[in-house]
Amino acid sequence: DAGVTQSPTHLIKTRGQHVTLRCSPISGHKSVSWYQQVLGQGPQFIFQYYEKEERGRGNFPDRFSARQFPNYSSELNVNALLLGDSALYLCASSLAGLNTEAFFGQGTRLTVV
Amino acid sequence: AQSVTQLDSQVPVFEEAPVELRCNYSSSVSVYLFWYVQYPNQGLQLLLKYLSGSTLVESINGFEAEFNKSQTSFHLRKPSVHISDTAEYFCAVSEGGGSEKLVFGKGTKLTVNP
Repeated sequence: DAGVTQSPTHLIKTRGQHVTLRCSPISGHKSVSWYQQVLGQGPQFIFQYYEKEERGRGNFPDRFSARQFPNYSSELNVNALLLGDSALYLCASSLAGLNTEAFFGQGTRLTVV
Repeated sequence: AQSVTQLDSQVPVFEEAPVELRCNYSSSVSVYLFWYVQYPNQGLQLLLKYLSGSTLVESINGFEAEFNKSQTSFHLRKPSVHISDTAEYFCAVSEGGGSEKLVFGKGTKLTVNP
């Protein structure tokens, strides 16, 4: 079985631009969570979606948004990129939205220049 | 609010030596506790977790961690490390009852030298 897949793996954007990151959960998993990992820090929770509805939101500005599609894949969107948005963005999927059984993808490395 | 403190940012050890990576948490409610490992340029892999029951939990590759409620700790140990254990280790906590988020520590970089 395929694990959690994220695309693209690497991305370079310019300040002020918009970016869309994509995540496909493990087959059968209905929940997706997004985390931001800045270099040298632990991951920080951004969003969780379960059955296409937002179930939780971390302390991130409104420039960050996400959605989940009927096939349970998800997109994370970031508008008006700042240099500080440079990070590894991790997606985690779980069967029923319980983080006790979350599986992480390899991440998307975003660099803002 | 929950928080996690990993007391050591870097831990260098020699191969076959024992190691302990320390983790303390703060929470006003019952918690679930996790250790994740991250190899260079990769995502997070779950190493072990404490949900309930026995306070000593073990992983398949020789790591173990003990939940100590009175000291609010969940230290990770291995009696004999290998070169391949070199990685970054993250301790994480979540509230019991299916809370939607994990709160991570800043990580401990374990370097195993020959």
